[in-house]
Amino acid sequence: DTQMTQSPSSVSASVGDIVNITCRASQGISRWLAWYQQKPGSAPKLLIYSASTLQSGVPSRFSGSGSGTDFTLTISSLQPEDFATYYCQQANSFPFTFGPGTKVDFK
Amino acid sequence: QVQLQESGPGLVKPSETLSLTCTVSGDSISRSNYYSAWIRQPPGKGLEWIGSIYYSGNIYFNPSLKSRVTISVDTSKNQLSLTLTSVTAADTAVYFCARYASGKNWFDPWGQGTLVTVSS
Repeated sequence: DTQMTQSPSSVSASVGDIVNITCRASQGISRWLAWYQQKPGSAPKLLIYSASTLQSGVPSRFSGSGSGTDFTLTISSLQPEDFATYYCQQANSFPFTFGPGTKVDFK
Repeated sequence: QVQLQESGPGLVKPSETLSLTCTVSGDSISRSNYYSAWIRQPPGKGLEWIGSIYYSGNIYFNPSLKSRVTISVDTSKNQLSLTLTSVTAADTAVYFCARYASGKNWFDPWGQGTLVTVSS
């Protein structure tokens, strides 16, 4: 199985801040990586796929980069609606696996 | 717009069988080159992929659950089903269904999820 790790596990930030979240795969997954945003009581929402492709309707302040084993989700100017938990998911091979999540909360 | 809705008992006793259904609207569950999947999330914890079923009927399971999981599709009702046998408290979770296209192994859309608690 491909294990996914994320750092940090939580980050405190303010509106307007730049937030970077890192995801690392235990083996190379090329660009087979997706990012999700989840708010309490809701299902995860797909933000980015193929490591850097923005899902339709997702604001351009979200961006993704990386390939192989190291990936980054960047929120360029944090907005109030962005306070949530973010998960990465490797889509390279079964069993699909998720990172443990990064919670973005108010500083 | 494709929508998914999970349903089933919210409480299951230990050692019994958990059974859930996901009703798909806005698309055929047997649409070519699409998968339907189950994912779960214990309270306050992360996401775990349970398994996927391809439109052709091929099924893929998480090895950690494979011996206890059954996934099937009822095309007449446009529904996806999950059964999990011999449940324990560790199976308490929100269970989500989701869809994805072949070659695009990211989950979208998702159902809203349904909480299943395992307790006597």
